[in-house]
Amino acid sequence: NAGVTQTPKFQVLKTGQSMTLQCAQDMNHEYMSWYRQDPGMGLRLIHYSVGAGITDQGEVPNGYNVSRSTTEDFPLRLLSAAPSQTSVYFCASRGLAGPEQFFGPGTRLTVL
Amino acid sequence: GDSVTQMEGPVTLSEEAFLTINCTYTATGYPSLFWYVQYPGEGLQLLLKATKADDKGSNKGFEATYRKETTSFHLEKGSVQVSDSAVYFCALRPSGGYNKLIFGAGTRLAVHP
Repeated sequence: NAGVTQTPKFQVLKTGQSMTLQCAQDMNHEYMSWYRQDPGMGLRLIHYSVGAGITDQGEVPNGYNVSRSTTEDFPLRLLSAAPSQTSVYFCASRGLAGPEQFFGPGTRLTVL
Repeated sequence: GDSVTQMEGPVTLSEEAFLTINCTYTATGYPSLFWYVQYPGEGLQLLLKATKADDKGSNKGFEATYRKETTSFHLEKGSVQVSDSAVYFCALRPSGGYNKLIFGAGTRLAVHP
């Protein structure tokens, strides 16, 4: 199993550009989440999904959209990037068997 | 709301020293508690967990005990190695919060020979 994979690893955008961060998992997990990591603030939940077709907002959802058309994939869209969205983004998934989440390697995004 | 507070770093230790990283939490009900570790350039890995009061989580020589009376989940290791250098995050999953993790700010540990 590859676990949770994320692409790209690094990205630089200009203010106003749009992009999609990809996340996929091959563990057949129902739950998937997106977090952002900022210095001194730990990780904060952006959006999450409890299954295909079902998404909900987390702590910091503004400026981000998500959809979940399949169990495996959970892309995160930035419609109009802003410098405040410069961060490291982590995708995570969790199965029904236990409480722990499994994290991807992260995407480092810089918005100029 | 629910929150996690952990000691600020960086923590700098010599190899074989004793490690404690303090973590306290605020939550209603009975949250699950976790320690995650992030090695340089990598994502987060689950280090250990505890799902009810007085549970002790342990892994790779690290331990933490879920203390409801003091709302704490301190991480300890008896003898650290250079390879333990990383950032450590304390986190909780609220009661009924199926997909939510609330993280502390992280504590950077540097171990030198």
